[in-house]
Amino acid sequence: GENVEQHPSTLSVQEGDSAVIKCTYSDSASNYFPWYKQELGKRPQLIIDIRSNVGEKKDQRIAVTLNKTAKHFSLHITETQPEDSAVYFCAVSRPGATNKLIFGTGTLLAVQP
Amino acid sequence: DSGVTQTPKHLITATGQRVTLRCSPRSGDLSVYWYQQSLDQGLQFLIQYYNGEERAKGNILERFSAQQFPDLHSELNLSSLELGDSALYFCASSGGVGSLEQYFGPGTRLTVT
Repeated sequence: GENVEQHPSTLSVQEGDSAVIKCTYSDSASNYFPWYKQELGKRPQLIIDIRSNVGEKKDQRIAVTLNKTAKHFSLHITETQPEDSAVYFCAVSRPGATNKLIFGTGTLLAVQP
Repeated sequence: DSGVTQTPKHLITATGQRVTLRCSPRSGDLSVYWYQQSLDQGLQFLIQYYNGEERAKGNILERFSAQQFPDLHSELNLSSLELGDSALYFCASSGGVGSLEQYFGPGTRLTVT
């Protein structure tokens, strides 16, 4: 079945620095790659997503890049702020009868003020 | 607020018991997904319904079942509960065909004692 690996598992940065989280997937048919932010005890919140026909997408301080050949995609957060501290999950889905998400194992991002 | 609602927020019950978790999708969304989040297994897909019909199953135990009603709300039934079933249970909803974004509800925290 589909496997999604996410690295690093923890990431600590200084406020204002950039943070990068990377995910690799195994199913080359995957075509949708969302990123979720989850604060402690809260719901996963969709922050950005990318589809397989696009290589990069930006939304203010966050961006996602996709390399379909290498089967990996990354989340980039610039000018980090303490409120960016959370667990970030990548996910993948493939076209078909279902759009179920297969999640990575999560990255705990800590932004030090 | 994602527009997805879940009840109850917390549930504490004993081993062997049966519980029902409820989810109401965003207005207009036809798909409901159930996910389980535990410390050791991460976020795992359980089951999906689309417009009242089961669409896909993940690693859902036989003790667990779900349904989606004509008003599109969904219920997840967990029976013969074990300690290992303690987890956060999220539902997510998405729109019709071609709509990939999934929006999560606030979750139900189940504690089995």
